[in-house]
Amino acid sequence: AQTVTQSQPEMSVQEAETVTLSCTYDTSENNYYLFWYKQPPSRQMILVIRQEAYKQQNATENRFSVNFQKAAKSFSLKISDSQLGDTAMYFCAFMKHAGAGKSTFGDGTTLTVKP
Amino acid sequence: EPEVTQTPSHQVTQMGQEVILRCVPISNHLYFYWYRQILGQKVEFLVSFYNNEISEKSEIFDDQFSVERPDGSNFTLKIRSTKLEDSAMYFCASNKGAENTEAFFGQGTRLTVV
Repeated sequence: AQTVTQSQPEMSVQEAETVTLSCTYDTSENNYYLFWYKQPPSRQMILVIRQEAYKQQNATENRFSVNFQKAAKSFSLKISDSQLGDTAMYFCAFMKHAGAGKSTFGDGTTLTVKP
Repeated sequence: EPEVTQTPSHQVTQMGQEVILRCVPISNHLYFYWYRQILGQKVEFLVSFYNNEISEKSEIFDDQFSVERPDGSNFTLKIRSTKLEDSAMYFCASNKGAENTEAFFGQGTRLTVV
């Protein structure tokens, strides 16, 4: 079974600064997918970024980028130029394979961006 | 942009009552899921559904739960006799299939059992 660990229950960052959220996972699979989801107070789940394990290049989406270390089974999220609207719970998720694969989520990290 | 829609957004029910949570997945998606998030906790997988049958379910998904795709567009989760501990946010998600990996989540239904 896959497990996803987010070791930082809470983090804070000053507006405009950079913050990194950590995520590690455990799997025996070689091909899989990793995601970061944002959950604002409305509790909607919003996909932030995804990474395919077979791709060596780290995914980026505007101010969001990941540091994917496959050998270390690490998948951290870097948020640059943090904005007040980034305040939310962030979940790291693992999916074993495409299509029918369920997602396994970490416990989440509550990020607060301070003005 | 197509999205997964869930109704109602909030449901309050008495313990022991049956509830049906409704979802309309994105129209060309083939895989459907229900997840649960108890307040302050992680998102937990309940069940996945493909080709009109359950493809995988978790240990949470016991006999009190059932899913159905009654008309080719709606995807429902039924809880037969609700318990206080069923109070949670329930998320529906859908996935297009092999070429498009991520699941798209609905906005969730907050279920409160009193």
